[in-house]
Amino acid sequence: KNQVEQSPQSLIILEGKNCTLQCNYTVSPFSNLRWYKQDTGRGPVSLTIMTFSENTKSNGRYTATLDADTKQSSLHITASQLSDSASYICVVSDRGSTLGRLYFGRGTQLTVWP
Amino acid sequence: EADIYQTPRYLVIGTGKKITLECSQTMGHDKMYWYQQDPGMELHLIHYSYGVNSTEKGDLSSESTVSRIRTEHFPLTLESARPSHTSQYLCASSPATGVNQPQHFGDGTRLSIL
Repeated sequence: KNQVEQSPQSLIILEGKNCTLQCNYTVSPFSNLRWYKQDTGRGPVSLTIMTFSENTKSNGRYTATLDADTKQSSLHITASQLSDSASYICVVSDRGSTLGRLYFGRGTQLTVWP
Repeated sequence: EADIYQTPRYLVIGTGKKITLECSQTMGHDKMYWYQQDPGMELHLIHYSYGVNSTEKGDLSSESTVSRIRTEHFPLTLESARPSHTSQYLCASSPATGVNQPQHFGDGTRLSIL
């Protein structure tokens, strides 16, 4: 069964600190892995997309890594800011159909305290 | 910032009413999607479209229907709302070409059926 599991479910950190969010997946055949940020009451916004051949990709203070062999990804946030408080969603796409079916994790709820 | 708009943002309405949730995008994207999201849960695909006059049901069974008469417009309709339809509905779009293209999401409609 194709699944995407994220950990931790929630996380609280102090402003300025770093943190790492985890994503494990069983989706096969694999096409790409995406990280989205969803602010409360808003739609998800894409942070990174990585294909099989990419093992790291950065977007400002966000750095995603991918290990396609172990089917694991992480999202590292550096020097956190209050505006980083949001849900971070891991999404994996398969290449078994023209649609490129997306499998969504339940997200990690990050809270940054001042 | 993606140009995809959903209206209304919030809707509280009684059981049995007919509801139409609007979604419009100005990016010329051929692919459009409707997702349902409950608190703390993953997004579930309920409808998608490859282009004008193309609509398909997603993975999650839904009593809603959709239409795609114009590229930019993808409304979702509930003929007779019930309390079980209470949820957040997110619309998204992506270009026709390239499975590694991100989906751009609207900010959603939070629907409450009394």
